[in-house]
Amino acid sequence: DAGVIQSPRHEVTEMGQEVTLRCKPISGHNSLFWYRQTMMRGLELLIYFNNNVPIDDSGMPEDRFSAKMPNASFSTLKIQPSEPRDSAVYFCASSLQGGRTEAFFGQGTRLTVV
Amino acid sequence: QQQVKQSPQSLIVQKGGISIINCAYENTAFDYFPWYQQFPGKGPALLIAIRPDVSEKKEGRFTISFNKSAKQFSLHIMDSQPGDSATYFCAARAGGSYIPTFGRGTSLIVHP
Repeated sequence: DAGVIQSPRHEVTEMGQEVTLRCKPISGHNSLFWYRQTMMRGLELLIYFNNNVPIDDSGMPEDRFSAKMPNASFSTLKIQPSEPRDSAVYFCASSLQGGRTEAFFGQGTRLTVV
Repeated sequence: QQQVKQSPQSLIVQKGGISIINCAYENTAFDYFPWYQQFPGKGPALLIAIRPDVSEKKEGRFTISFNKSAKQFSLHIMDSQPGDSATYFCAARAGGSYIPTFGRGTSLIVHP
């Protein structure tokens, strides 16, 4: 298995633009997580899906952030409009059994908003 | 609110030395304590984990020590190697939860 696949690996965008980050979880995993990593705040959980349904989105910072999981093999995290303070590395992770087993992380998307 | 406090923020060790990273928690509902290793440009990966029914777990050069009464746990890397240079995160998870709470991370550099 190729593991969790994220795209793009790097994204540079101008403030105010829409940004879409993509994730393909490991085949057969039914839980998917989006994390944000910054020097200031460390690893923060943004949202968690189980069986394609958002279960906990309390970590989503504000309405500019939205996430979808239209099927078991694909998820997106969208920021609209983007702001410089959104600059971070965004990780997607997937796991089996509703998150009670270990999550496998993708390589992340480094987002820079200028 | 930082539920898992990790120290030090950065650590420099000579090759062959012992690297020690400490974590402390407050939530007594935590019952699973994993450590993650993250190399530059990669996502975190599970390294080793412990449950509070044991005081120590060892896997190769990596050992977790757990002190339930003090609500502290630590990672020891014996015979540290330059290839161990990475960021290490401690985490804690409660039995009724599916999401670990992460520490802020420790950047380890092992000099050859």
